[in-house]
Amino acid sequence: DAKTTQPTSMDCAEGRAANLPCNHSTISGNEYVYWYRQIHSQGPQYIIHGLKNNETNEMASLIITEDRKSSTLILPHATLRDTAVYYCIVRVAGRGSNYKLTFGKGTLLTVNP
Amino acid sequence: DTEVTQTPKHLVMGMTNKKSLKCEQHMGHRAMYWYKQKAKKPPELMFVYSYEKLSINESVPSRFSPECPNSSLLNLHLHALQPEDSALYLCASSQEPGRGTGGWDEQFFGPGTRLTVL
Repeated sequence: DAKTTQPTSMDCAEGRAANLPCNHSTISGNEYVYWYRQIHSQGPQYIIHGLKNNETNEMASLIITEDRKSSTLILPHATLRDTAVYYCIVRVAGRGSNYKLTFGKGTLLTVNP
Repeated sequence: DTEVTQTPKHLVMGMTNKKSLKCEQHMGHRAMYWYKQKAKKPPELMFVYSYEKLSINESVPSRFSPECPNSSLLNLHLHALQPEDSALYLCASSQEPGRGTGGWDEQFFGPGTRLTVL
């Protein structure tokens, strides 16, 4: 699975959009970008994933660059409850999947009142 | 029911004790996972069960012994642990890895068992 690079920490004001970047310059054609987050003392939570098109769900939006070497997770209106470590993971999904989630160090997002 | 439950929430054990961690899901998922998470570190995969068969063992020491008695249950038996094994142990499940895309591989995590080895 391709490696990812994320900033160690970020701050965001409550109510503003949080934009979390991820670099994955060695991503392969059959690898997806996944985002999970882990709120303190809880298990990780799936947020969103995508291959090459932008994706949106009730939690967030995922913007993947055309060359797929980087992506941005967008929380449109951050709340205090969004304070968590956000993990960007690149892996093969579906057929050929090796089941593994390999977590990097992630980004600690702190949402401030 | 979209929940993965883990018991106990906390466990303190001595190095000579034998204990077990339990994980349960009723989402019909056929893949189940054990992860270990040390303080201020990301989770690390330990074991994967697919259709109740062990499919991945990430070179975990034999003092950790997983068991999948049925498709809803996953146990982790602990014996002769060391203080450095103290960590948060997370269980997760997913539908059917290898079957298409679009969320089939999404893993649902339980809240974890915080283990302290004295």
